[in-house]
Parts: sequence; C-alpha cells; structure tokens
Amino acid sequence: QSALTQPASVSGSPGQSITISCTGTSGDIGAYNYVSWYLHHPGKAPKLMIYDVSNRPSGISNRFSGSKSGNTASLTISGLQAEDEADYFCSSYTSSATLLLFGGGTKVTVL
Amino acid sequence: QLQLQESGPGLMKPSETLSLTCTVSGGSVYTSAHYWGWIRQPPGKGLEWIGTIYYAGTTHYNPSLKSRITMSVDRSKNQFSLELSSVTAADTAVYYCARSLGYCSGGTCYSYDYWGQGTLVTVSS
Repeated sequence: QSALTQPASVSGSPGQSITISCTGTSGDIGAYNYVSWYLHHPGKAPKLMIYDVSNRPSGISNRFSGSKSGNTASLTISGLQAEDEADYFCSSYTSSATLLLFGGGTKVTVL
Repeated sequence: QLQLQESGPGLMKPSETLSLTCTVSGGSVYTSAHYWGWIRQPPGKGLEWIGTIYYAGTTHYNPSLKSRITMSVDRSKNQFSLELSSVTAADTAVYYCARSLGYCSGGTCYSYDYWGQGTLVTVSS
C-alpha cells in the first residue's frame, strides 16, 4: 500500500479532459505545496510533469495542469491525446522523517 | 541532454550487499546546483525514496533504510553509487537514480527532473 492514494486507472477519449487525484494527509499534501507529478512509461525513465503543485518544467505542454485542495492534489490533462497514455504518479514532501512520499500510480488509458 | 543510467547485479542472494551505480552523461555529477537521489519500486507497490547525496558528500537517507545504506559520488567517473547491505527479498525492486530539480534546501529534495530508466534487482536464494 502506497503512502499517497491514487486511483488505479482513469480513461478518457481523445480531446477530453481527465483528472487524476492524489490523496494524502495533513502532514504531507495538506501542509505543503511540494507536490509533483510524473509520467512513466514502464521500462523508461519517469518524466517530471508538474512540481510545487502547479508548476510545469520547461518543455511540458500546458495541457497538463496541477492543483491542490486540502489533502488532495490533482493532475488534469486537457485535450487528451493518444501519446498521453501512460502511468502517472504523484509525490509529496512530508513532515515525517521519510521526507518524500509517492503515490501508487494511475494508469491513463486513451479510449 | 542529461541522461542517467543505472547498473547493478540483477540477481543476488539474501545477506549480500547490493551495489548500484548511476552513470551521468550530458552533465557533471560534481555540481553544486543539484542533489542526486535513489528511489525504488518493489513489484506491485509504490515508489520509495531511498536517499540523496550532494556532490560534496552530504547525504540524507530514509530512516527505514539508514542503517544499511551508503551513498557516494565519484567525480572521476561522473557517477554516484548506492550500497545496501544485508539484503532480503523485501529489497527486490526496480531501483532508479535521479537528479533533483535544483538545489535541495537542507537536503530535502521535493522533485526530481531527470531519472534513469531503472534497474531490476531481485533478491532470491
């Protein structure tokens, strides 16, 4: 069981918007704006998509956006494209000695 | 373009010491601008942060693994390494190396902008 909770899968049709949630606690997501999102194709290197809740690294499409409400962070993919099909996982700083927590990952399927 | 590549034993036996190396290309491991980290993912489970190291040698380890971990940086080979002693089946995982997004205040890295593709380490008798 992962420290942060994500849905196992989310799907959508091309052009639609989907949102992936990442739920933590008041000791991590709820307390700090240090949530990141990564895209991961199995067997390949994970790719940073969002950091500090809503910031996009250079080169990341503005179709990807992040937000947070309470203990839950969200990644929204707008204008869903076939190339967006991948696993996505979140991470958050935590006040515990572990320092960094991860979600279990969400498989995004483009129908 | 920065690239990271993990290398390791693949298969090992319980009680042995795991040694992993991350080779950095397209940039220098000897930089004050970033930390270097290790993260792992056991089969069917979520990712677990293992620890980070700064070019000057400062380390920060996950408390659950701290007693068994040693990290180091090799400037001459542009590599950084992880040693995990007394491995058990619970240490079976894909191990990733990664670079922090910028400097990590107090050694706490919130994001990693470059990752390796991971290397599977299986511990089995």
